[in-house]
Amino acid sequence: AQTVTQSQPEMSVQEAETVTLSCTYDTSESDYYLFWYKQPPSRQMILVIRQEAYKQQNATENRFSVNFQKAAKSFSLKISDSQLGDAAMYFCAYRINFGNEKLTFGTGTRLTIIP
Amino acid sequence: EADIYQTPRYLVIGTGKKITLECSQTMGHDKMYWYQQDPGMELHLIHYSYGVNSTEKGDLSSESTVSRIRTEHFPLTLESARPSHTSQYLCASSAGTWDYGYTFGSGTRLTVV
Repeated sequence: AQTVTQSQPEMSVQEAETVTLSCTYDTSESDYYLFWYKQPPSRQMILVIRQEAYKQQNATENRFSVNFQKAAKSFSLKISDSQLGDAAMYFCAYRINFGNEKLTFGTGTRLTIIP
Repeated sequence: EADIYQTPRYLVIGTGKKITLECSQTMGHDKMYWYQQDPGMELHLIHYSYGVNSTEKGDLSSESTVSRIRTEHFPLTLESARPSHTSQYLCASSAGTWDYGYTFGSGTRLTVV
């Protein structure tokens, strides 16, 4: 079974600084997708960024980028120029690229932004 | 704007009551999911559906039931609420294509007293 591990239950960063959230996963598949979701306090969970396993280039969305290391099965999220609105729970998720496979989520990392 | 809606947002209810948490989406997604989110914020899949008249139990055993009579609607019912059911319930949907992940609703925070 696939597993997703987020080893940092909590992280904090000074406003305007850069922070990296870690995620590792375990799979025997070669074709899959990885996602980072953000859940602000009492608000809707939204997709931050996605990465296809077959693409070597790391995905980037504005201040958010990933470091995808397929051999190491690592998928970290880097947030640059951290803003107060980045404070949230961040979930890493994995999905095999086949049929009706569901997302497997990590346990989340709570990110605090220090003004 | 296409989205996924959950009602109510907050609910406080007495033990033994029957409740239905509503979830509707306007995106025409075939796949829908219910997650229970514990106080530590971990997500547990309790039910999912791949289309009309299709429902399956998820990874976490739940006393709740679901139905899928219409594509856009995926309600979750607790026949007799108990304090152990106190939790946040998140509904999500997916287009079924592999690269778009899930779209989540805002959640229902249920408290059973």
